[in-house]
Parts: sequence; C-alpha cells; structure tokens
Amino acid sequence: SQELEQSPQSLIVQEGKNLTINCTSSKTLYGLYWYKQKYGEGLIFLMMLQKGGEEKSHEKITAKLDEKKQQSSLHITASQPSHAGIYLCGADGTGTASKLTFGTGTRLQVTL
Amino acid sequence: DADVTQTPRNRITKTGKRIMLECSQTKGHDRMYWYRQDPGLGLQLIYYSFDVKDINKGEISDGYSVSRQAQAKFSLSLESAIPNQTALYFCATSEGTSGSTHSRTQYFGPGTRLLVL
Repeated sequence: SQELEQSPQSLIVQEGKNLTINCTSSKTLYGLYWYKQKYGEGLIFLMMLQKGGEEKSHEKITAKLDEKKQQSSLHITASQPSHAGIYLCGADGTGTASKLTFGTGTRLQVTL
Repeated sequence: DADVTQTPRNRITKTGKRIMLECSQTKGHDRMYWYRQDPGLGLQLIYYSFDVKDINKGEISDGYSVSRQAQAKFSLSLESAIPNQTALYFCATSEGTSGSTHSRTQYFGPGTRLLVL
C-alpha cells in the first residue's frame, strides 16, 4: 500500500517568513493533492499536481511535484496568520482517483 | 449554502448505542466517501461509493456500515459504538474519473465530531 510521509510534523514561523512543507511517497504518484484544514474543521482543497516537474501557485502558496513523481513540496511566501492550520497531502496511487491516501499533516503556526 | 453538509456536527453517545451520521451534497457528484481522522493518524477511508448501487469498503470498515439513499445522500452508521470510534468524521465527494483536475478532486464537508463514552 502507498504510504505518505509529511515533514515537518509541526512548524512555527514568524509572520513574513517563508516556509516549506514536504510530502514524500513510497510509490509513484499519479496525482498529489494539497489540502488545508483549520483546527477541527473541514479540508479545503488547495492544489492538485499530476505531471512530473509540475508547479502550481495560488496567491502566496506554490506547490511542486518532482520529476520522479514521488515527492511534493508546498512553499508559502511571506507567511501570514491566515496561513495557520494543518496542511495535508493526499495521493492517488492508482491513477483512477478512486481512493486517496493521506499524510498525517503538518501543523503550521504563524506568530506575530 | 455549503456544497457538502454533514449532520450532526457534534455528537456524544454511549458505548453500545447505534448512531447515524449523515452527509448531503448539492454538487451533483457521483462519488462519495467517508473518512475518519484521529490525531496523528491522518485521514483513513472507511467506505466509498461510486454511485447509488456501488458501495466499497475502505481501509477501516469494521464496525461501520453505510447507505447510499440517493446520489446526493450518503450515511454512515455505527451499529454498536465503542470508545475507540471517537474521532472526527468527514464526508467527501468527487465528480468522477475523467482526466481533469476538477473531476478527480475530492471536496470535503465540515466534519462531525463524535465522542463515544
């Protein structure tokens, strides 16, 4: 079965600083999804990557999928308090998007 | 109005009781999913349904059952609740398997926080 490892598990950054969260898969990724979760609430879809080397951006968040399609990174530029939450990566390991495997999440705190 | 709604949002029950969590969606999606989230364990898939007549077990289906009453409704039942089923439960939907990002993406409800005493 596919396993996803996220690092770091938690992160505290000062407002305005940049940060990177990583998601590493034990198998080839056919699709990699990034979600954000406010504490105790639902998951909000951020971005989905499919192709090796693909990069997508939304506002100050950029996600990349490596050429080998086994690792993805999520980069936040000039962090703000609104970026605080839990970031989860989800992997489609079959190419059918029938089931996703999720990482355990990275908890981000942004201090003033 | 939210596209994916879950009821109740919070529930406290006792060991041995039967409870049902409900999920409704207005997105018109064929696929629906139930997950549970435990601290430090990420999301685990309980059941998923590709249409009204197609229901499949996920990773952790023991102790749970589901019913897909209509395209828009997917309910999760705990036949006899036990304390280790205390968790945050999420419903999600997706359109299908076409190649588009939008079609494959799962959209989540706000969650139901369940406490089994």
